[in-house]
Formats: sequence, C-alpha cells, structure tokens
Amino acid sequence: ETGVTQTPRHLVMGMTNKKSLKCEQHLGHNAMYWYKQSAKKPLELMFVYNFKEQTENNSVPSRFSPECPNSSHLFLHLHTLQPEDSALYLCASSRTSGRLIGELFFGEGSRLTVL
Amino acid sequence: KQEVTQIPAALSVPEGENLVLNCSFTDSAIYNLQWFRQDPGKGLTSLLLIQSSQREQTSGRLNASLDKSSGRSTLYIAASQPGDSATYLCAVDPHDSNYQLIWGAGTKLIIKP
Repeated sequence: ETGVTQTPRHLVMGMTNKKSLKCEQHLGHNAMYWYKQSAKKPLELMFVYNFKEQTENNSVPSRFSPECPNSSHLFLHLHTLQPEDSALYLCASSRTSGRLIGELFFGEGSRLTVL
Repeated sequence: KQEVTQIPAALSVPEGENLVLNCSFTDSAIYNLQWFRQDPGKGLTSLLLIQSSQREQTSGRLNASLDKSSGRSTLYIAASQPGDSATYLCAVDPHDSNYQLIWGAGTKLIIKP
C-alpha cells in the first residue's frame, strides 16, 4: 500500500467512448502526476499539478484531459482515443519543495486497452 | 540534455548472490537520484532516494551509492532472493527541468531459485 490509489485497475474502451481514470493520494502531498508507460519505452510524463495548478503538459494530445479538483485527487478524462494509446497509466504524488520534486509515490496503475 | 542509462537491460543470477545494478547520467547538475522497483503490470515502488550531497543510502539489504562527478549510481542487493525479481529503474531530478524526472529504461532482474 503506497498511499496512492488508482481506479479502475483495468479498462477496455472503444475509440468513440468517453471514460475517466481516477487517482487519490492519502499522503498529504501537494503535487500529483500522470505518467504513461508503454511496452519497451521509458516512462513518459504527461501532466503535473502542483498545489492544484497545472505546471507541465508534455505536448499531450487533447484527447487526454486532466482535472485536479484538490491536492488529493487527480483525474484523467479520455475521449476518442486511438489503439496506440493502450498502455499502463500511472499516477504519482510527491511533496515538492521549490523546484525539487521529492520522493515519488506511485499508484498501482490503470491498464487501458483501446479497441 | 540529461540522459540516463541503465546497463544491463536484463540480468539473471542464482539465489543468494550479491549483485550490483548500474545507472549512469550525463549531467551532474541534479538534486537527487531515486531507485524504484516495478513488478510486472504494477506500479513503481520507491526504494531509495539519494540527495546530491549524499554518497549512499541503505535500506535493509539494499544499498545505493551516488558519485555525481562521474555520473554514476549503483544499487547493491545483498543475498538476493527470488522475491527480488522485478524491473529496477533509476531516475534523476535535474536542475534544469520543470518537475520532470529523467528516467532510465530499467534493468530486468531475475533471481533463480
């Protein structure tokens, strides 16, 4: 138990569906992150929220839409995805200090399959 | 541009052996370096975080070292067990990045009973 909970753990969706991934952290951290992990590729940072404000968006397609209503919750809204978006989506949190990221704590991930 | 390399990509050793995993980075301007473990289909678990001012950190059978000047870190695992089988990743927090760690591709470790 890392203190970061992701739901659902598995999701299968068609290209026209709309779904959302949810992440919740119980660690009192101020920063939350979405990462994408595809087979045989390094981890890719998608979005960063620091004190609920989006501070980084790594040129992610608009079919991925993040939402951070407070420092404990993070969502990733998905719509009109492509089969190549199938991957493990990981949420993480940390206590930042200035520009320092701090120790990252990850959830178990949401395995997404786009048909 | 900071790059992180982990060699070898895969390693298989008999149970009980001591082993070393390697992580190298190209720019010494980092705040810290972290080691993570990932089991298949699961999230990452933080193992050790070494601040740039530190030389090593220890947790149980794990010892991580950091040599900033040479751009190297090692993760030493003592008395390996089958439960240590996983992919081990390292990541650095560089001075010039906006909340973005730079990741290695990982070393897949298999401990044979």
